[in-house]
Amino acid sequence: GAGVSQSPSNKVTEKGKDVELRCDPISGHTALYWYRQSLGQGLEFLIYFQGNSAPDKSGLPSDRFSAERTGGSVSTLTIQRTQQEDSAVYLCASSSSGRLSYEQYFGPGTRLTVT
Amino acid sequence: DQQVKQNSPSLSVQEGRISILNCDYTNSMFDYFLWYKKYPAEGPTFLISISSIKDKNEDGRFTVFLNKSAKHLSLHIVPSQPGDSAVYFCAAFSPNAGKSTFGDGTTLTVKP
Repeated sequence: GAGVSQSPSNKVTEKGKDVELRCDPISGHTALYWYRQSLGQGLEFLIYFQGNSAPDKSGLPSDRFSAERTGGSVSTLTIQRTQQEDSAVYLCASSSSGRLSYEQYFGPGTRLTVT
Repeated sequence: DQQVKQNSPSLSVQEGRISILNCDYTNSMFDYFLWYKKYPAEGPTFLISISSIKDKNEDGRFTVFLNKSAKHLSLHIVPSQPGDSAVYFCAAFSPNAGKSTFGDGTTLTVKP
């Protein structure tokens, strides 16, 4: 079956512009996560959606970052007024509910470059 | 305060030898620990996990050991192969939070 997909794979934008990153999770997965990985760094948690519950936004670095998940499936991460420090690979992951809910399946990521 | 730490940014081993990657954690409420493997330009992929009620889990060449009293886990790869060269992330899952906390990763290089 299809894995987690993300689009675009690469995005170059000018400082100050808004960007939208898309994630299509594995069908039927109830949980969806966004992370980012800056150059030479680990995985930084951004936001987590679980079913119809309110999202855990505790990792969002500023109010320029927001995310939504429509219909419990596709998610969009929006960064407003991008800054150079936003340059990173943005990774999306999904997981099922139940016994194996701790195993996350990652997409290939979107590489964002802010010039 | 980093709850999951991988203190070695990199590790280099010879093909055929054992690779040992280490991870320390601080939160005793984590109930599952996982290792993910990441190749360049790809997302991480799940490798192996261990429940907090166990001290060892083995899957082929990969074995994860958990020492709860020391809040320490390790991943052993034996024998190591050049294709194992990748970044390895340790992660700890909290059932209360419903999410995993990741370490910063260790880059493993296996030399032919």
